[in-house]
Amino acid sequence: DVKVTQSSRYLVKRTGEKVFLECVQDMDHENMFWYRQDPGLGLRLIYFSYDVKMKEKGDIPEGYSVSREKKERFSLILESASTNQTSMYLCASSASPTNEKLFFGSGTQLSVL
Amino acid sequence: ILNVEQSPQSLHVQEGDSTNFTCSFPSSNFYALHWYRWETAKSPKALFVMTLNGDEKKKGRISATLNTKEGYSYLYIKGSQPEDSATYLCYGGDTGRRALTFGSGTRLQVQP
Repeated sequence: DVKVTQSSRYLVKRTGEKVFLECVQDMDHENMFWYRQDPGLGLRLIYFSYDVKMKEKGDIPEGYSVSREKKERFSLILESASTNQTSMYLCASSASPTNEKLFFGSGTQLSVL
Repeated sequence: ILNVEQSPQSLHVQEGDSTNFTCSFPSSNFYALHWYRWETAKSPKALFVMTLNGDEKKKGRISATLNTKEGYSYLYIKGSQPEDSATYLCYGGDTGRRALTFGSGTRLQVQP
């Protein structure tokens, strides 16, 4: 089965810090996603990548950037962390963004103090 | 971005009850409709991916139907068990971009 690995399960950072969240998948999927999950708001797409160095903004890209230098790795960057970015972050990958199922990592709970 | 909507938001049922939830989505430019189960402290796992109008999928006691013309999908659970307690998410819609959209989910709690 596909394995999607997120580098940290829990992370605590200070306001203004630059934060890197890493995601690695082992199934040669072209498509990778970053979501955040907040109570009552479901899963909201931050950024999506459909190929190396290719990206597309999701619903809430403000305050975030991404990097995809290699096919298996998709990084989410918080340039200057703020308290409203405290959330659960989930990475996913798939062979197709529409017709194939998404495989999710176990999530990173980020707290920004 | 057009919305994918799920109802109800939450549901409490007794063990053995059968239940169903709804996902509605824009019927234009349909690509696919997915259902995921998300258990507490775990990551979402795919249940079904449906692409054709009239599709019906089944996995054990859980089944799903798809009506792309009217823009809805139903998820059915027959004889609910406590281990079915989870949030059920649908993923679909016409976003005008490559990625689709998640609904906000239906939270199911099954009481023993």
